[in-house]
Amino acid sequence: DVKVTQSSRYLVKRTGEKVFLECVQDMDHENMFWYRQDPGLGLRLIYFSYDVKMKEKGDIPEGYSVSREKKERFSLILESASTNQTSMYLCASWGQGRTDTQYFGPGTRLTVL
Amino acid sequence: DQQVKQNSPSLSVQEGRISILNCDYTNSMFDYFLWYKKYPAEGPTFLISISSIKDKNEDGRFTVFLNKSAKHLSLHIVPSQPGDSAVYFCAASGIGSQGNLIFGKGTKLSVKP
Repeated sequence: DVKVTQSSRYLVKRTGEKVFLECVQDMDHENMFWYRQDPGLGLRLIYFSYDVKMKEKGDIPEGYSVSREKKERFSLILESASTNQTSMYLCASWGQGRTDTQYFGPGTRLTVL
Repeated sequence: DQQVKQNSPSLSVQEGRISILNCDYTNSMFDYFLWYKKYPAEGPTFLISISSIKDKNEDGRFTVFLNKSAKHLSLHIVPSQPGDSAVYFCAASGIGSQGNLIFGKGTKLSVKP
């Protein structure tokens, strides 16, 4: 069965802290994605990666960076957390089939105080 | 500019009746469309998809209709059940997208007993 896991379900951090959000998939998928979900704004793509050590900016990359050292793991980094980064963060992975779907993790609710 | 639009932020339906969720898109290069369902504090889960070579796809109580000339798709849920209450996201992709989906902002469906 397909599985995408995220390191934390809930996280509370202070302004200025460095934050790491980890995502692991067990499907040997090449492509992985990070989104944030905010009320009324839907899912917005932050970064995605189509291979180890490869990354592409999404629609809202400012304030974020990513790391993909191993195929199964994709990390999202907030270098200096700010209150406007309080959000639900969702990781997803995608199989190679043209009509495959993205599989999502359970999400991390991050609160920055 | 939004390429995938869900113009109704919310929809309320009585249990047993039909729920119709709508989605419009602007990019004529999109050729694959998906619907995801999301409960609070969980990641989105794939519901149903349709390729542009079809105009209808059915899976149990869920049917997706695609009108390419109008660049419009809809999700029908019949009969609606209280457990269907969730946020529904429409998503689209085109050839060469590497699994990168463009999401709408979502419609919150409430099914009342």
